[in-house]
Amino acid sequence: KAGVTQTPRYLIKTRGQQVTLSCSPISGHRSVSWYQQTPGQGLQFLFEYFSETQRNKGNFPGRFSGRQFSNSRSEMNVSTLELGDSALYLCASSLDRGMNSPLHFGNGTRLTVT
Amino acid sequence: AQTVTQSQPEMSVQEAETVTLSCTYDTSESNYYLFWYKQPPSRQMILVIRQEAYKQQNATENRFSVNFQKAAKSFSLKISDSQLGDTAMYFCALDSGNTPLVFGKGTRLSVIA
Repeated sequence: KAGVTQTPRYLIKTRGQQVTLSCSPISGHRSVSWYQQTPGQGLQFLFEYFSETQRNKGNFPGRFSGRQFSNSRSEMNVSTLELGDSALYLCASSLDRGMNSPLHFGNGTRLTVT
Repeated sequence: AQTVTQSQPEMSVQEAETVTLSCTYDTSESNYYLFWYKQPPSRQMILVIRQEAYKQQNATENRFSVNFQKAAKSFSLKISDSQLGDTAMYFCALDSGNTPLVFGKGTRLSVIA
């Protein structure tokens, strides 16, 4: 079974630009969660989607948005990029968000904003 | 609010030795899961071991075992016979079901030959 696939692996953008990251979950998984990982803040929850609906949202500004498609693939978008948005963005999928459904992570997208 | 604290930012261990990584947490939920994830330099987070709060028996996965102390809200990870491939960041995480998974800040483990 293929794992969680995130594309691209690396991105370099300029302040003010926007970016879209993609995540394909494990086949059969309907829940997709996004996390931002930085050395100072660790892993911070961005949002979670289940069956195309946003179920939870973290404490991030409205510049961060996401969506999920009918095939469970998910995208997240960051508009008006700031230097502080430089981070590793991790996507994780699970069958559901029940407690006995652990997250399976992708390799992440490393975003650098210059 | 749910919190996870890992008080050891960095640790090192000699190959073949045993090391214990600490984690404390706080939650008001009565049932929850606790996890240890490993993130090697390749960046992919890998589930190492999980523990359900209702189960008194400590979970074990090969060389990895946990010491779950529910009353003390402590969940430590023991790695036996450490191998070079165990070098990674280790994250403790709490899942209470209705809220997103909460992670600790991580412990960077280096296994030295």
